[in-house]
Amino acid sequence: AQTVTQSQPEMSVQEAETVTLSCTYDTSENNYYLFWYKQPPSRQMILVIRQEAYKQQNATENRFSVNFQKAAKSFSLKISDSQLGDTAMYFCAFMKPIQGAQKLVFGQGTRLTINP
Amino acid sequence: EPEVTQTPSHQVTQMGQEVILRCVPISNHLYFYWYRQILGQKVEFLVSFYNNEISEKSEIFDDQFSVERPDGSNFTLKIRSTKLEDSAMYFCASPRLSLETQYFGPGTRLLVL
Repeated sequence: AQTVTQSQPEMSVQEAETVTLSCTYDTSENNYYLFWYKQPPSRQMILVIRQEAYKQQNATENRFSVNFQKAAKSFSLKISDSQLGDTAMYFCAFMKPIQGAQKLVFGQGTRLTINP
Repeated sequence: EPEVTQTPSHQVTQMGQEVILRCVPISNHLYFYWYRQILGQKVEFLVSFYNNEISEKSEIFDDQFSVERPDGSNFTLKIRSTKLEDSAMYFCASPRLSLETQYFGPGTRLLVL
């Protein structure tokens, strides 16, 4: 079974700083998908970014980028120029290759606080 | 952009009562998923549903749980006899343009007393 580990329960940075959230996973699959979801205090789950394992290029979405290290099974999220609105729980998630409906397997989450 | 919607947003019930949580996925997509998040914990997969059948279910999804598609657009998650430990946030999720990317509804916060 796949597992996802987020080793940082909490992080805190000052506004405008850059912060990196760590995620590692365990799988025997060669192709898969990785995601970061953001959960603000409203508890809505918001997709931040996704990465296909077969792509070597790291995904980016505006201030959000990932460092995908397939051999190390590592998938970290970097938030540049952090903003107060980035304060949230961040969950890393794994999905096996699509053959019909596939579930997301989540890590435990990292609580990120951006301080003014 | 079309969204996943869920009702009710909050539900308070007595232990042993039945609850029905509702979801309208994106654009009549054939795939949808239910997840659960106990307060302070990670999001856990409950069940996936494809073309009117359960595709996969977790060990959490025992006989007290059921999913249905009562009409062409709505999906429901039913808990027959709620327990205190069923108190959680329940999310449904649906793909949008591509199957591998799931978008979540706002969730239903269930409190069992």
